[in-house]
Amino acid sequence: DAGVIQSPRHEVTEMGQEVTLRCKPISGHDYLFWYRQTMMRGLELLIYFNNNVPIDDSGMPEDRFSAKMPNASFSTLKIQPSEPRDSAVYFCASSFDPSSYNEQFFGPGTRLTVL
Amino acid sequence: GQQVMQIPQYQHVQEGEDFTTYCNSSTTLSNIQWYKQRPGGHPVFLIQLVKSGEVKKQKRLTFQFGEAKKNSSLHITATQTTDVGTYFCAGPIGNNFNKFYFGSGTKLNVKP
Repeated sequence: DAGVIQSPRHEVTEMGQEVTLRCKPISGHDYLFWYRQTMMRGLELLIYFNNNVPIDDSGMPEDRFSAKMPNASFSTLKIQPSEPRDSAVYFCASSFDPSSYNEQFFGPGTRLTVL
Repeated sequence: GQQVMQIPQYQHVQEGEDFTTYCNSSTTLSNIQWYKQRPGGHPVFLIQLVKSGEVKKQKRLTFQFGEAKKNSSLHITATQTTDVGTYFCAGPIGNNFNKFYFGSGTKLNVKP
């Protein structure tokens, strides 16, 4: 398996633009997580899905952020409009049932810079 | 709310020296996971501890879970330059065992 795939790897955009980050989880994993990593706040969970259904989005910072999982092999995280403070590395991770003590597999991340 | 605190934030060691990072939770954890993130990379799972007082070893790495399941440690014996990176502990938040809170991480630098 190729592992968790994320695209793009790097994104530079201007304030006010829409940004879409993409993730393909490992086949067979039922859970998908979106994290944001910054120096100030560390690794934060934004939202997670189980069987394509959003379960907990309490970490999504604002209404500007939205996430979807239209099928088991694809998820998007969208920021509209983007702001400089959204600059961070965004990771997608997938897992079998974490409550059964399964590890999370992280993708390589998307480094987002909003100018 | 529940938090997982990690110390120290940074550690600089000479190659061959030992290294330890500590993780403390305000509440009892059902389990704790450890991850390593190399510079410019992504977190990679190292190990999971479930039982009270559990100790697991991976070559030069020793992981411990406290008796009260509120703290954990990672000890590296005789560090090597390949150990450079940030080490995170992660524990489930409250009763939601699917939702993990990551500690702030300990960044290890090893001087050759």
